[in-house]
Amino acid sequence: GESVGLHLPTLSVQEGDNSIINCAYSNSASDYFIWYKQESGKGPQFIIDIRSNMDKRQGQRVTVLLNKTVKHLSLQIAATQPGDSAVYFCAENLGANSKLTFGKGITLSVRP
Amino acid sequence: NAGVTQTPKFQVLKTGQSMTLQCAQDMNHEYMSWYRQDPGMGLRLIHYSVGAGITDQGEVPNGYNVSRSTTEDFPLRLLSAAPSQTSVYFCASSARGAKRRNTEAFFGQGTRLTVV
Repeated sequence: GESVGLHLPTLSVQEGDNSIINCAYSNSASDYFIWYKQESGKGPQFIIDIRSNMDKRQGQRVTVLLNKTVKHLSLQIAATQPGDSAVYFCAENLGANSKLTFGKGITLSVRP
Repeated sequence: NAGVTQTPKFQVLKTGQSMTLQCAQDMNHEYMSWYRQDPGMGLRLIHYSVGAGITDQGEVPNGYNVSRSTTEDFPLRLLSAAPSQTSVYFCASSARGAKRRNTEAFFGQGTRLTVV
């Protein structure tokens, strides 16, 4: 079946630098995408979402970009901080239900 | 605000035992789901519900049952536990937005289950 995937399993960045986490999705009919952050021992925490009728959405220090032509989603974190260290998941949703398809996750490690 | 509450947080079962993982949300969300998380596998959908009285299977439903008798509760039952069901289980809920569109899912803190 179609699924969401991530390009890299780990990402190490210097504190203060910008981080870019990429995600490829294969279901061109997906209409809603979410980025989640998961800290050790906790449940996934919502970061930002975007619907398929948008290309870009900004939050506090985070930006999500959606490129429907190549089915690519990215999460940009500005001025990465040690507290940003976690596993990040992209997820896609198709249709009016509660079914999220998650990527395998990428670990972001912030070097002091 | 309680959000999504899962109990228990930890559980050890013997093979063949049955148990119920509890999930409750106080946000009046229509949608609720159960996921399992295994190393290197991300989160996989077990069962989901779009409202009280309605449930459906996800990606990995075998060995699990669910029911949704109320909006608030969505218990997950393991009928006969197997070592392959050792995992971390997450319950999530979300509201049905305008035009029946999906909105962000809120997750509980998880139940770490070990089957020996």
